[in-house]
Amino acid sequence: DADVTQTPRNRITKTGKRIMLECSQTKGHDRMYWYRQDPGLGLRLIYYSFDVKDINKGEISDGYSVSRQAQAKFSLSLESAIPNQTALYFCAIQGTGYGYTFGSGTRLTVV
Amino acid sequence: EDQVTQSPEALRLQEGESSSLNCSYTVSGLRGLFWYRQDPGKGPEFLFTLYSAGEEKEKERLKATLTKKESFLHITAPKPEDSATYLCAVQARSGGSNYKLTFGKGTLLTVNP
Repeated sequence: DADVTQTPRNRITKTGKRIMLECSQTKGHDRMYWYRQDPGLGLRLIYYSFDVKDINKGEISDGYSVSRQAQAKFSLSLESAIPNQTALYFCAIQGTGYGYTFGSGTRLTVV
Repeated sequence: EDQVTQSPEALRLQEGESSSLNCSYTVSGLRGLFWYRQDPGKGPEFLFTLYSAGEEKEKERLKATLTKKESFLHITAPKPEDSATYLCAVQARSGGSNYKLTFGKGTLLTVNP
């Protein structure tokens, strides 16, 4: 199994729909992150969590919410999707060496 | 605010033509500088961590170096399979338990056969 698994890999949804992106890990790390990546803008932090009870907003949290259901699971929700949320979304975990391990990403298209 | 600037935005090389990618950074105390490789549509893959000025790390055709203001990723005799986007990220020492990384926008490297 991969260290970080993201589902779905690809998703097309309509404007106004609620959608959830899921992330699970097998490494037992406490720190988990959600980023979005857009051409020309790089990776931008949406939310991060240091443990189940510690969730923090990143630089672009508006329009998003998260849930840390367990140490291994960290979900990102778009309450009412809009076209400018079309992007590649990555979940990452962080161990004691401070570097991230990324998932394979979810390509989200909002039409 | 931590800032990371990578240059050039894109670099096209011929196979075997060595070159360097630059990552300049501004951070209030560096805990670590990270290099990642990203292939299209995939998640970034870890390459190196550098912790202090003067440190160097090598892996196959890649060598990363660090000064107090910037890092270089040197690519020696590149091959087409080295084509990817290379990302640089920094982690600040300040901020208590905040370990998040700040990323640059990346350098898109294309190596032609």
